[in-house]
Amino acid sequence: RKEVEQDPGPFNVPEGATVAFNCTYSNSASQSFFWYRQDCRKEPKLLMSVYSSGNEDGRFTAQLNRASQYISLLIRDSKLSDSATYLCVVNFHTGRRALTFGSGTRLQVQP
Amino acid sequence: SAVISQKPSRDICQRGTSLTIQCQVDSQVTMMFWYRQQPGQSLTLIATANQGSEATYESGFVIDKFPISRPNLTFSTLTVSNMSPEDSSIYLCSVETAGTVKNTEAFFGQGTRLTVV
Repeated sequence: RKEVEQDPGPFNVPEGATVAFNCTYSNSASQSFFWYRQDCRKEPKLLMSVYSSGNEDGRFTAQLNRASQYISLLIRDSKLSDSATYLCVVNFHTGRRALTFGSGTRLQVQP
Repeated sequence: SAVISQKPSRDICQRGTSLTIQCQVDSQVTMMFWYRQQPGQSLTLIATANQGSEATYESGFVIDKFPISRPNLTFSTLTVSNMSPEDSSIYLCSVETAGTVKNTEAFFGQGTRLTVV
């Protein structure tokens, strides 16, 4: 089983749609959770951290369910510019500070 | 935040040769991380480069194949040695900001797109 698993994608949605991505992680002791965005042929960049209480940043909402070891990202009112690959990222805090990345979910927003 | 300059941005190399990738950070950082991203896949950690000590390699990666240097707190190199076509990939260096663990953010270099022919 992969340490971080995501929806396989790709997701093709029309502009204005709401789309949700899911992610599960294997280590129940994980403490830090993030969503990163990676545009084609670019490096990943932080989209948002994910907090236990859930958090929102404009059209983006992230949720964490520790009991189910599940993270989600909701994008409302999709824009063409949201087209990218969204990476679920976990820091397992097992003595190694590096992040563990999911395989990514590709989103294509269509006009 | 951190700004990372990584070079080269791309290269096409002959099998059996070696390529050294450089990363320069605009601030001092304790650890730098080297990742590989194969086509259509996510990032896989190769090793953690620590200043003043040997790099720590992940399972499946060895120092002879991927030697790393970390001469100071702002610079690191990764060498891909004795390359084969299977080494064709994007290589990225990364650092994390200081602060609490929950609020750390990873920053990446622009990546090196390597093609081995």
